[in-house]
Amino acid sequence: GAGVSQSPRYKVTKRGQDVALRCDPISGHVSLYWYRQALGQGPEFLTYFNYEAQQDKSGLPNDRFSAERPEGSISTLTIQRTEQRDSAMYRCASSGNRGRETQYFGPGTRLLVL
Amino acid sequence: QKEVEQDPGPLSVPEGAIVSLNCTYSNSAFQYFMWYRQYSRKGPELLMYTYSSGNKEDGRFTAQVDKSSKYISLFIRDSQPSDSATYLCAMSQTKAAGNKLTFGGGTRVLVKP
Repeated sequence: GAGVSQSPRYKVTKRGQDVALRCDPISGHVSLYWYRQALGQGPEFLTYFNYEAQQDKSGLPNDRFSAERPEGSISTLTIQRTEQRDSAMYRCASSGNRGRETQYFGPGTRLLVL
Repeated sequence: QKEVEQDPGPLSVPEGAIVSLNCTYSNSAFQYFMWYRQYSRKGPELLMYTYSSGNKEDGRFTAQVDKSSKYISLFIRDSQPSDSATYLCAMSQTKAAGNKLTFGGGTRVLVKP
């Protein structure tokens, strides 16, 4: 089937606005991860879900960042009151079997905060 | 200092040469080691996966892990222009913890025809 999809692919917003980034994992995948990737850097872990339960949010930079996966499938990463330093590529990955398998990454959402 | 260090490159080699990539890390709790390939404007895709120390070979790719030195390597034999990409090493402590990955910064590789 289809791979991990993310929307929007590009998002330009003004400082202070809220943004919501969506991830649609591979069908049937139990685990879903959010990473942030700065230009020229590797992805940096933000948070992780098994089914609808958020298992680890230790990588979220501050309380402006939150994520949810209410039905154990699609997930939304929300950034409130965006700041210029939030500009980055936000990547979602999913895996089967409670994280014991390969993580498949989506194409990412490029966020630019002006 | 970052937990995982990786030379950013770029590493330029002629077609057919061996590409040698490596990462060092500081967290001795890492047990699972991966190499991802990332083409421009694409998401990372898994190339190799190894557990603990040792070697693993898959086609033209060989991954090595030396936990005593906290050093991992990826070798690409008979390199092709299609191998031109950024290569990211990644590590995790345990699958039971959800396989949270810690990545290196990536090495950009260019294979010239």
